[in-house]
Amino acid sequence: QKEVEQDPGPLSVPEGAIVSLNCTYSNSAFQYFMWYRQYSRKGPELLMYTYSSGNKEDGRFTAQVDKSSKYISLFIRDSQPSDSATYLCAMSVTSGSRLTFGEGTQLTVNP
Amino acid sequence: GAVVSQHPSRVICKSGTSVKIECRSLDFQATTMFWYRQFPKQSLMLMATSNEGSKATYEQGVEKDKFLINHASLTLSTLTVTSAHPEDSSFYICSARARAQGELFFGEGSRLTVL
Repeated sequence: QKEVEQDPGPLSVPEGAIVSLNCTYSNSAFQYFMWYRQYSRKGPELLMYTYSSGNKEDGRFTAQVDKSSKYISLFIRDSQPSDSATYLCAMSVTSGSRLTFGEGTQLTVNP
Repeated sequence: GAVVSQHPSRVICKSGTSVKIECRSLDFQATTMFWYRQFPKQSLMLMATSNEGSKATYEQGVEKDKFLINHASLTLSTLTVTSAHPEDSSFYICSARARAQGELFFGEGSRLTVL
């Protein structure tokens, strides 16, 4: 069993839709949770960074962490074609330790 | 945000040759750098962690004699793929961290194709 599970998609939505991306994990020691966006043939860029359980909002993006269910989500409101990318969840035990990545979900937002 | 630069972005080489990929932190000193490989439609797999001035720590299953990592300065780490084979063809990405608990910044990646 993988430590982090993420549906690879692909996910295709119309412009303006609300997008929900999710990851589950098995290691209860994970405390730091991140979402990265990766455009084709580029390196990942950090979108959201969350510690422990709770919600965090940044513009059109909201990250949710439910440690009791070992489940994290990223919501994108009013999705734009420029949001089309692969979204990777990642998590770590401490803020300075190695990241464990999900497989990534490929998202396409159609104009 | 901080910038991490990788070079070359693309390299094509013949089987049996060695290829060096550079990872530079342009506006900060990176105490720790990480090297990943990513196959198409798959996630990033950590290959090794390197701290400036010390030997890299390799993940299980990664051949340290094949993937040579050098972190000679606080702004530069190199990955050398020795005696490359077609199965080494992949997207190699580095990341760098300024402090022990600092944010991780990723390079743009280097696509290696071994013919």
